[in-house]
Amino acid sequence: DVKVTQSSRYLVKRTGEKVFLECVQDMDHENMFWYRQDPGLGLRLIYFSYDVKMKEKGDIPEGYSVSREKKERFSLILESASTNQTSMYLCASSFSQGREQYFGPGTRLTVT
Amino acid sequence: RKEVEQDPGPFNVPEGATVAFNCTYSNSASQSFFWYRQDCRKEPKLLMSVYSSGNEDGRFTAQLNRASQYISLLIRDSKLSDSATYLCVVANDMRFGAGTRLTVKP
Repeated sequence: DVKVTQSSRYLVKRTGEKVFLECVQDMDHENMFWYRQDPGLGLRLIYFSYDVKMKEKGDIPEGYSVSREKKERFSLILESASTNQTSMYLCASSFSQGREQYFGPGTRLTVT
Repeated sequence: RKEVEQDPGPFNVPEGATVAFNCTYSNSASQSFFWYRQDCRKEPKLLMSVYSSGNEDGRFTAQLNRASQYISLLIRDSKLSDSATYLCVVANDMRFGAGTRLTVKP
């Protein structure tokens, strides 16, 4: 079974803090993704990566950055957290582009 | 990146009913499609792939209509455990529908 893990299930941060969300997959997948999910808006793609050290912006990259130093790990960074970044963050991986994605359990981030 | 639109729902059906969801996509070059199921406060989980020839898995049938650019999911003999939100995905566009909520009632 594919396993995608995320570093925290719940996180509470203050406005202006730097926030790191970590994601690890154990199936040697090429592609990794970060989404946020908000009620009524569905999943929105923040960034994705199709190879180590490669990254591409998704639909809503503003206020976020990513890092992929190793194939199995994809990190999402909020440089200066704001209240409008309160959301559920979901990491996913897939073998290649166009293939099914497997999701981690999500991190529910609250910024106060 | 192109849009994916889904029936807004919610769908409230009795046990044993047949229910169908549709999802339209705007990119005619899209190649790969999936349906996911998401339970409340959980991550999406892959339900099934969608092929041009159709795909059936027990009570679930997924269809692709390339000419009209939509995919569909049919659930027969609904169970209480089918209650969830169903998401359609255009995988090569990395675009998800907003989801359709299904509640199956006794």
